[in-house]
Amino acid sequence: DTGVSQDPRHKITKRGQNVTFRCDPISEHNRLYWYRQTLGQGPEFLTYFQNEAQLEKSRLLSDRFSAERPKGSFSTLEIQRTEQGDSAMYLCASSHSDTQYFGPGTRLTVL
Amino acid sequence: LAKTTQPISMDSYEGQEVNITCSHNNIATNDYITWYQQFPSQGPRFIIQGYKTKVTNEVASLFIPADRKSSTLSLPRVSLSDTAVYYCLVGGVYNFNKFYFGSGTKLNVKP
Repeated sequence: DTGVSQDPRHKITKRGQNVTFRCDPISEHNRLYWYRQTLGQGPEFLTYFQNEAQLEKSRLLSDRFSAERPKGSFSTLEIQRTEQGDSAMYLCASSHSDTQYFGPGTRLTVL
Repeated sequence: LAKTTQPISMDSYEGQEVNITCSHNNIATNDYITWYQQFPSQGPRFIIQGYKTKVTNEVASLFIPADRKSSTLSLPRVSLSDTAVYYCLVGGVYNFNKFYFGSGTKLNVKP
């Protein structure tokens, strides 16, 4: 399978814990995006990388959130001191043009 | 910010052609129009993308009038498996921060 992959697919954590998600984009896609999606809503943009450079960050990305793409390939999204409001689907997408291809997402539940 | 407006939901029957219209009055000159399909607990799946006039691929057609202030996704002969949420997206990688998914259109295909 050469699509975008995300790990884990599901994560349950207690409030206050830190969590980290991983995204592996389609090979040779230099652009990578993170989105958050809550129930009944469309995906909301969080941040964007071109190669290893983080070029855009949404106001939704509070100080507790950090994303990296150290070698311009896979990316990680870390949430520190999770809150119940962080419960959502976290989606990753990659592209090399105007078309973004999405991964299956990581479902986060904060208890 | 190029926001989009779509009907919240639509009903159809198997075998019918379905047309979903999206309004994007503030579309910028360099913006593309992209449609995605999303099933529950999955990432959005790319359907079709266009800039003007008509685009057709193996699953759908996209009609864009000359003023580009709206677009219509046409799904021929829908089946039960086409029941999903459909998102109209306006923007381009050059101005990624303007991507806005909206709430999408929930298409319900009945037998």
